[in-house]
Amino acid sequence: DSGVTQTPKHLITATGQRVTLRCSPRSGDLSVYWYQQSLDQGLQFLIQYYNGEERAKGNILERFSAQQFPDLHSELNLSSLELGDSALYFCASSVGNSNQPQHFGDGTRLSIL
Amino acid sequence: SQKIEQNSEALNIQEGKTATLTCNYTNYSPAYLQWYRQDPGRGPVFLLLIRENEKEKRKERLKVTFDTTLKQSLFHITASQPADSATYLCALDPSSSNTGKLIFGQGTTLQVKP
Repeated sequence: DSGVTQTPKHLITATGQRVTLRCSPRSGDLSVYWYQQSLDQGLQFLIQYYNGEERAKGNILERFSAQQFPDLHSELNLSSLELGDSALYFCASSVGNSNQPQHFGDGTRLSIL
Repeated sequence: SQKIEQNSEALNIQEGKTATLTCNYTNYSPAYLQWYRQDPGRGPVFLLLIRENEKEKRKERLKVTFDTTLKQSLFHITASQPADSATYLCALDPSSSNTGKLIFGQGTTLQVKP
């Protein structure tokens, strides 16, 4: 058990809808990361927050947004969903800002119908 | 262009042998490189981190090397066991920019046969 909790485990919705994925990091970890994993693209970095502040951004679509709250949990919001957004979304956490092992949750599987 | 390449073909080995997985990268100058294990339907699990000034790192049956001249990392599992069967991912810090952003390879699937 990595100590990182993601909810929900599965999400099925339709095109055009909006969803929110939730992540609770390991106790004591200040950084939260979001990744997207699809069969053809592999594991892609989306965004990192460190102690509430955005720290790094990947190729995250404008339709996606994230935030980290004062209690350090994080949410990833996906809107105007398209079929191509179907993927596994992972959250990871680490103690510090960089140069650290990352501890992953078991992901949220998003299916767009 | 920037790339991380891992063997796309699955690696099949016999129990007890040493598995060697390769990670090559181009047009990156990472300050560190990490290896993760991923089982089907699960999140990646951190295994080892090696920094640019370290040639080799060991942890139990695992060994990682990092050659910044060749732009290559090798990951070895000695005395392999069927329980080692999984997909192994290498990941690097793409810009030494003091963030935790990681770029992952596509992974190599290892199958250890009893």
